[in-house]
Amino acid sequence: GAGVSQSPSNKVTEKGKDVELRCDPISGHTALYWYRQRLGQGLEFLIYFQGNSAPDKSGLPSDRFSAERTGESVSTLTIQRTQQEDSAVYLCASSLLAGELFFGEGSRLTVL
Amino acid sequence: AQSVTQLGSHVSVSEGALVLLRCNYSSSVPPYLFWYVQYPNQGLQLLLKYTSAATLVKGINGFEAEFKKSETSFHLTKPSAHMSDAAEYFCAVSFFGNEKLTFGTGTRLTIIP
Repeated sequence: GAGVSQSPSNKVTEKGKDVELRCDPISGHTALYWYRQRLGQGLEFLIYFQGNSAPDKSGLPSDRFSAERTGESVSTLTIQRTQQEDSAVYLCASSLLAGELFFGEGSRLTVL
Repeated sequence: AQSVTQLGSHVSVSEGALVLLRCNYSSSVPPYLFWYVQYPNQGLQLLLKYTSAATLVKGINGFEAEFKKSETSFHLTKPSAHMSDAAEYFCAVSFFGNEKLTFGTGTRLTIIP
């Protein structure tokens, strides 16, 4: 596609439910990133995939968070047993060149 | 570990005035530095990057930034602000061999007509 596509754009869920957020990167981009942006705050790194290398999971805040990527295509971020503090915009980005990230418009998650 | 600090969460300038957005970095190895911009209701996009070549880097829409090692700074400037520059600006750092970008908390730029 022309850009990074994320779905859903908005998700409202109840505390304790599981959610899945999807990211379709730009075709051919070997790297894929997930970031979280809480209201009024900067971007918080969650996880980074690069080709067939083991992902850098150092930013995942708890074991309720996990992410998968199929080859160099779609990625899914899963949050289990959601909590209110998980409410944020979850941003996905892909890149071919180091540091040159192309971001999607994000998935806004609201946990009631 | 590397980090960036953006001074001023909100900056307001008059149309036509100089824009100066501050970013200081902390890195134990030579850094790569970036500025990203997020226009209202749009995704973040790369404005410019420094990767150890020229210290003065020019980006899109008339913006530029200068890497100053002695001051550990990478401030973003534009000589004359335009209404369309109103956006949120993020400074970010990485280094060779580690492509994980660490972002600052952002600076919201408002342009006063």
